[in-house]
Amino acid sequence: GNSVTQMEGPVTLSEEAFLTINCTYTATGYPSLFWYVQYPGEGLQLLLKATKADDKGSNKGFEATYRKETTSFHLEKGSVQVSDSAVYFCALSDRNNAGNMLTFGGGTRLMVKP
Amino acid sequence: DTEVTQTPKHLVMGMTNKKSLKCEQHMGHRAMYWYKQKAKKPPELMFVYSYEKLSINESVPSRFSPECPNSSLLNLHLHALQPEDSALYLCASSHRQGKTEAFFGQGTRLTVV
Repeated sequence: GNSVTQMEGPVTLSEEAFLTINCTYTATGYPSLFWYVQYPGEGLQLLLKATKADDKGSNKGFEATYRKETTSFHLEKGSVQVSDSAVYFCALSDRNNAGNMLTFGGGTRLMVKP
Repeated sequence: DTEVTQTPKHLVMGMTNKKSLKCEQHMGHRAMYWYKQKAKKPPELMFVYSYEKLSINESVPSRFSPECPNSSLLNLHLHALQPEDSALYLCASSHRQGKTEAFFGQGTRLTVV
C-alpha cells in the first residue's frame, strides 16, 4: 500500500534560518505529491504540488522537488518567518490506488522564534 | 474563488442531540469529502461523494450520516455521538475524485459532552 513518512517534530528555528522538512513515500503507481500547511485553529491549505518526477513545486518561498530515485519530496525554505509557524503535511495521491485518495504523512510542527 | 465554506465553526452537542455540519463550494468541483482530524494527527478520510453519489465510506459508524443534496453542498448529520467523536471535521473538494489537489474548508470544531 501507499505510505508517507515525515520527520518528527517539533522543528524549532530562529527567524531567517533555513528550513528543511524531510518527506519520503512508498507508492505502487505514479503518485502526485503535495505539501499542505495547517495554521493553528484552521483547515489545511495547499502549499505546493508536483505531479511527475523532477517537477519542482514552489509557493511563498517554499520549494520541493519530486525525486523518484530517492522517493522523496523534501520541503525547503531559505529564510523562515514567525508567520510560517504551523503544521506541515506531506501527502500523495496515486491514480493506481483505488479511489485515488490522499495519503497523508504524520505532520511536522514548525515553530519559528523571533 | 477557491473557497470551501463550512458551518458552524464550533459546535458543542450532547450525546442525545441531533446536529448537522454543512459544507459548500462553488468551484464546480464534482468530488467532495469529509475528513476527521484528532489533535496532533493527520486528517482521516470518512466519506467521498463523486457526482453526488456516495463513492467511499471508510467504515464510519452509522451515527455519522452524510448527504449530498446537490453538486455544491455536502452535509454530515450527527446523532447519538460519543465523547471520543470530539474532533475537527474537515470538508474538502476537488475537480474529480482523486484528481489534482483537494481544497479544504476551515473545519468545524466539534465537542461532544
